[in-house]
Amino acid sequence: GENVEQHPSTLSVQEGDSAVIKCTYSDSASNYFPWYKQELGKGPQLIIDIRSNVGEKKDQRIAVTLNKTAKHFSLHITETQPEDSAVYFCAASFNNAGKSTFGDGTTLTVKP
Amino acid sequence: DADVTQTPRNRITKTGKRIMLECSQTKGHDRMYWYRQDPGLGLQLIYYSFDVKDINKGEISDGYSVSRQAQAKFSLSLESAIPNQTALYFCATSDWQRPEAQYFGPGTRLTVL
Repeated sequence: GENVEQHPSTLSVQEGDSAVIKCTYSDSASNYFPWYKQELGKGPQLIIDIRSNVGEKKDQRIAVTLNKTAKHFSLHITETQPEDSAVYFCAASFNNAGKSTFGDGTTLTVKP
Repeated sequence: DADVTQTPRNRITKTGKRIMLECSQTKGHDRMYWYRQDPGLGLQLIYYSFDVKDINKGEISDGYSVSRQAQAKFSLSLESAIPNQTALYFCATSDWQRPEAQYFGPGTRLTVL
């Protein structure tokens, strides 16, 4: 089955700096890669996703890049703000299976 | 997401007790999922259902059972709870048109003593 590894497990940045979280996946058949943000006491929320036919996708301050050859994808957050502090999860899935394999999460702390 | 609700939000129980966690959604989605989250780990899939008559085991289904009472309701049962089932449990939904994008409930924190 699919295996997703996520790094780093914790990340601390100053407000205004950029943050990068990286994930690798094992199954070359995976073709959908979402990122979720989990705030304290809440369920994960989908913040951005990318399909395997796209190399990069941006949404305001967040972007995701995908390298299919190397089987890794990354989340980039620019101009970080304290409200970006949360746990971020990457995931990988295949086609219409609807089942995602999740990474172990990255706890991001943005210091004011 | 208020469209996906879970009850109870917190539950403390004893070893050997039967526990039911309930999930309801108003998003009109056909697919529903149950995940378990342990501290410092990602989400592990317990069971998933693509419609009322289609229920499938996930990665860690042993010790759990589910019931899809209606399109909007999906319950998770622990037949005889054990301490290593102490975890945060999440229900999620997705739509057939975009099945990979999942919408999560707020979670149920379960403690088994």
